Amino acid sequence: GAVVSQHPSWVICKSGTSVKIECRSLDFQATTMFWYRQFPKQSLMLMATSNEGSKATYEQGVEKDKFLINHASLTLSTLTVTSAHPEDSSFYICSGEGREFYEQYFGPGTRLTVT
Amino acid sequence: QKEVEQNSGPLSVPEGAIASLNCTYSDRGSQSFFWYRQYSGKSPELIMFIYSNGDKEDGRFTAQLNKASQYVSLLIRDSQPSDSATYLCAVMQGGSYIPTFGRGTSLIVHP
Repeated sequence: GAVVSQHPSWVICKSGTSVKIECRSLDFQATTMFWYRQFPKQSLMLMATSNEGSKATYEQGVEKDKFLINHASLTLSTLTVTSAHPEDSSFYICSGEGREFYEQYFGPGTRLTVT
Repeated sequence: QKEVEQNSGPLSVPEGAIASLNCTYSDRGSQSFFWYRQYSGKSPELIMFIYSNGDKEDGRFTAQLNKASQYVSLLIRDSQPSDSATYLCAVMQGGSYIPTFGRGTSLIVHP
C-alpha cells in the first residue's frame, strides 16, 4: 500500500500558540487528503477535506479560521492549529485518497497536547 | 444524521477462539462498509470492505453484511493476542468517498 507520513508525531505546546502538522504522501500523489481528529475512546471525526490547489472543505462545526489547511502540492497538506487551547488536545490523523473508492491511506497520526 | 453504532467493549476472548464484532448503521443509503483495526496510539489500517449482502472472507477474517437489518459484522477466527486492538466500523454512502466511523470495539485476546 501507499505510504503517508506525518510530522511531528507528537507535540506539546502552550495555550495560545500555533502548531503546524505536516502530512506527506511519500510514494503517490494525493489530489485529495483528509484531516481527522480523534479524542480518547471516540471515533475518527472528519474535520476537513483538502484538495490540491483549492480551499479546503470543512465539516460542520469545525472552525476554518482556527484550523488552517493548506494543500499546496500533490504530496503535501498542512494543518495549522491556531491559538491552541487545552480542548484542542487530541490525536490528529491525515489520510490520502487512493485510486479506488475504498482506499484511504492513513498517516501515523500526531498527538497534540496543549498545556 | 448518519450514525454508526458499535459496542465499545472490551470484548475478551481466549486465544484460538472466534471473535465476533458487530456494527449497526442508521442510513439506509449506505453502500460500502469497512472494518479497520487500530492499535493503541496508532492510526487505523483497513482490514476489509464489503458492499454486497452476505459473507466475504479473507484469511482469518470474515465480514458479514445484512442491508435489510442494517448491520455488518466481522468474525476473526483463531484469534491471536496480536489481534488485540480496537476495531472500527465505517460506512460510506453511495456516491460518497468519505466514510462515517463508529467509536470502535476494543478486542482483547488473552493467551
